[in-house]
Amino acid sequence: DAKTTQPTSMDCAEGRAANLPCNHSTISGNEYVYWYRQIHSQGPQYIIHGLKNNETNEMASLIITEDRKSSTLILPHATLRDTAVYYCSHGGETGTASKLTFGTGTRLQVTL
Amino acid sequence: DSGVTQTPKHLITATGQRVTLRCSPRSGDLSVYWYQQSLDQGLQFLIQYYNGEERAKGNILERFSAQQFPDLHSELNLSSLELGDSALYFCASSVDAGAQETQYFGPGTRLLVL
Repeated sequence: DAKTTQPTSMDCAEGRAANLPCNHSTISGNEYVYWYRQIHSQGPQYIIHGLKNNETNEMASLIITEDRKSSTLILPHATLRDTAVYYCSHGGETGTASKLTFGTGTRLQVTL
Repeated sequence: DSGVTQTPKHLITATGQRVTLRCSPRSGDLSVYWYQQSLDQGLQFLIQYYNGEERAKGNILERFSAQQFPDLHSELNLSSLELGDSALYFCASSVDAGAQETQYFGPGTRLLVL
């Protein structure tokens, strides 16, 4: 199962960039890095995923280190609605099922 | 709204009982996943189905079982319930079962075992 390490909590001022780190040193082969978030007890929401290259979509940017053992999720202009628990995971290597394993995640608090 | 629906939203039952949780995947999605989220254990993968067939198994207890029907909806059956089974149960779906499929989660079923 995927093992990831994330800070327990982070604060960010509204309008500023939120940079959330994740260590995934056990990532192997062609596993993808995934980021999800969970607001209160709602279902986790997909944010972004990547393999080797940096990725950007309408929600966030994902920076993956060259050795792929860590990544950073960037919310470029955090808003109060981005307050949530953010989870990183890895998996989905070719030929395997895409099961996700989440650790305890990072609780991001966006403040005025 | 992810397009994944789960019923019921809340369920309260007693120890020793059996319950069935239902999930309807997004239109067009063939793969369904079940997860359990408890306060002390985070989100744990239970089982995955793809087009009616079991595809992967995680930390699913023998008291739990699941199936995916021809119309692609899925049910998770929990039997001989214990206090420790109280948790949020999420269903997710994806188009395929392959390597980089994005999973879309439903709103969850909150189970309370008394």
